Amino acid sequence: GENVEQHPSTLSVQEGDSAVIKCTYSDSASNYFPWYKQELGKGPQLIIDIRSNVGEKKDQRIAVTLNKTAKHFSLHITETQPEDSAVYFCAASIGTGANNLFFGTGTRLTVIP
Amino acid sequence: EAGVVQSPRYKIIEKKQPVAFWCNPISGHNTLYWYLQNLGQGPELLIRYENEEAVDDSQLPKDRFSAERLKGVDSTLKIQPAELGDSAVYLCASSLPGYGEQFFGPGTRLTVL
Repeated sequence: GENVEQHPSTLSVQEGDSAVIKCTYSDSASNYFPWYKQELGKGPQLIIDIRSNVGEKKDQRIAVTLNKTAKHFSLHITETQPEDSAVYFCAASIGTGANNLFFGTGTRLTVIP
Repeated sequence: EAGVVQSPRYKIIEKKQPVAFWCNPISGHNTLYWYLQNLGQGPELLIRYENEEAVDDSQLPKDRFSAERLKGVDSTLKIQPAELGDSAVYLCASSLPGYGEQFFGPGTRLTVL
């Protein structure tokens, strides 16, 4: 099955700085890569996703890049705010339909005011 | 639009006791997933339903876990008997047919004493 590795496990940044979280995957057949934000006591919430036919996607302060050759993808958060503090998970899925997501181990992001 | 609903939110039981979790997916989402999330880890798939059919239950420990989705809407996940190692958050998610975006519920936090 797919194996997704995520780094770093914890990340602290000053408010206003950028944060970058990186993931690698093992199965070249994976073609859907979502990022989830999980706040304490809540379920994961999709914040952005990218499919393998696109190299980069941006939504306001959040962007994701994908390098299929190297099998890695990254989440970039610019102008971080204290409310960005949460645990972020990357995931990978094979196929274009509703398929199983394989999650990374998470990154705890702390934005220091 | 209402999100994925799960109940109970918290459950504390003694080992060897049975426990059941309930999930109501987003209206129109015929794909339903149950995930297990251990502390400090990403979610791991237990079972995936397409309507009332379990299309992937390869990661479900069938000696003690069971699930059902009788009418293709609500689903119940059961553990009998519970073991100490079952303490975790059980997440339910749903998605539209043929589309990868999964929406998660808040989860049920199970503590087995």
